[in-house]
Amino acid sequence: KAGVTQTPRYLIKTRGQQVTLSCSPISGHRSVSWYQQTPGQGLQFLFEYFSETQRNKGNFPGRFSGRQFSNSRSEMNVSTLELGDSALYLCASSLPSSETQYFGPGTRLLVL
Amino acid sequence: DQQVKQNSPSLSVQEGRISILNCDYTNSMFDYFLWYKKYPAEGPTFLISISSIKDKNEDGRFTVFLNKSAKHLSLHIVPSQPGDSAVYFCAASAHGAGSYQLTFGKGTKLSVIP
Repeated sequence: KAGVTQTPRYLIKTRGQQVTLSCSPISGHRSVSWYQQTPGQGLQFLFEYFSETQRNKGNFPGRFSGRQFSNSRSEMNVSTLELGDSALYLCASSLPSSETQYFGPGTRLLVL
Repeated sequence: DQQVKQNSPSLSVQEGRISILNCDYTNSMFDYFLWYKKYPAEGPTFLISISSIKDKNEDGRFTVFLNKSAKHLSLHIVPSQPGDSAVYFCAASAHGAGSYQLTFGKGTKLSVIP
């Protein structure tokens, strides 16, 4: 079974731009979560979607948003990029009744 | 306020010996705990998990112990192999409380010396 896939793997943007990252979960997984990893803050939860609805949201500004489609694929968007948004963005998926999340390889975003 | 803490940033162990990685938590709502292994520029790989109704879970060379009264868990790797060298993250969730987010520790870098 294919794992979680994320595109693109690497991205360079400039301050003020916006970016959209994509995540395809493992087949059959309907829950998708997003995390940000930075050297200073570690892995931090952004939000979680299930059946196209946001169930949980972390402590990030409104510039960070996401959505989930009917096929469980998910996207996250960051608007008005700041230098501090440079990070590894990770997507994870899980079965509806499972606590275990499986991660994709991540998208490395660099904001210049 | 760090709810999941891994107080050892790094650990070095000889090949063949036991590696013990520790994790402490403060939120009593956490009821599910996981360990992930991570290489640079890759996503975390799930290793092993434990529910709060258990105090031990074993999977091959990996064993996780949970001490709820002390709010402490540990991951034992026996025997340690050079391929185990990576950063290990402890994570917790409060699934029973309806939270589906994982709260991570800062990680422990394990180096297994041949």
